Amino acid sequence: DIQMTQSPSSMSVSLGDTVTITCRASQDVGIYVNWFQQKPGKSPRRMIYRATNLADGVPSRFSGSRSGSDYSLTISSLESEDVADYHCLQYDEYPPTFGGGTKLELK
Amino acid sequence: QVTLKESGPGILQPSHTLSLTCSFSGFSLSTYGMGVSWIRQPSGKGLEWLASIWWNGNTYNNPSLKSRLTVSKDTSNNQAFLKVTSVDTADTATYYCAHTGGLSVMDAWGQGASVTVSS
Repeated sequence: DIQMTQSPSSMSVSLGDTVTITCRASQDVGIYVNWFQQKPGKSPRRMIYRATNLADGVPSRFSGSRSGSDYSLTISSLESEDVADYHCLQYDEYPPTFGGGTKLELK
Repeated sequence: QVTLKESGPGILQPSHTLSLTCSFSGFSLSTYGMGVSWIRQPSGKGLEWLASIWWNGNTYNNPSLKSRLTVSKDTSNNQAFLKVTSVDTADTATYYCAHTGGLSVMDAWGQGASVTVSS
């Protein structure tokens, strides 16, 4: 199975910060990476698809990028509503695999 | 608008079979390219993909659960199903179904069904 190593597992953040979360794929997954946001007690919400594309309704302060086997989600000028858990997913090949998740917490 | 909703037993005993239903609207599992995936999440932990079923009947299961998983669909009633046999406490989790269509992978999720395995 392809491993998605996500870092950091948690992050203490302040409003207005620029936050970057990274997933490293254990083998080539091309552009087939999604990012999800999950708030407590809620189901995941797709934020980024195919590594760099903003999903419908997602604020433009969110962006996705790729550098080799590293995939990043960046939140510019963090707002309170962005404090949540974030998960990456590779779907280049079966089984699809998620990263371990990143929990954002306010300082 | 695509919506999905999971339903299940809530609690069941070890060694029993877990049966979950995903009722959806806004797409059809008889339409080319459409699919439903099942994902679970133990409390406080990460997401794990379990299985997917596609418009053409093809199914894919996570090998980590060996042959314990069965996915099926009822196209006429816009439902997909997941069965997990021989459950134990490690199967306690929230189970989600999610829509996948064409290049849109897991673009809509249900609210989740909480399942507890306990004697």
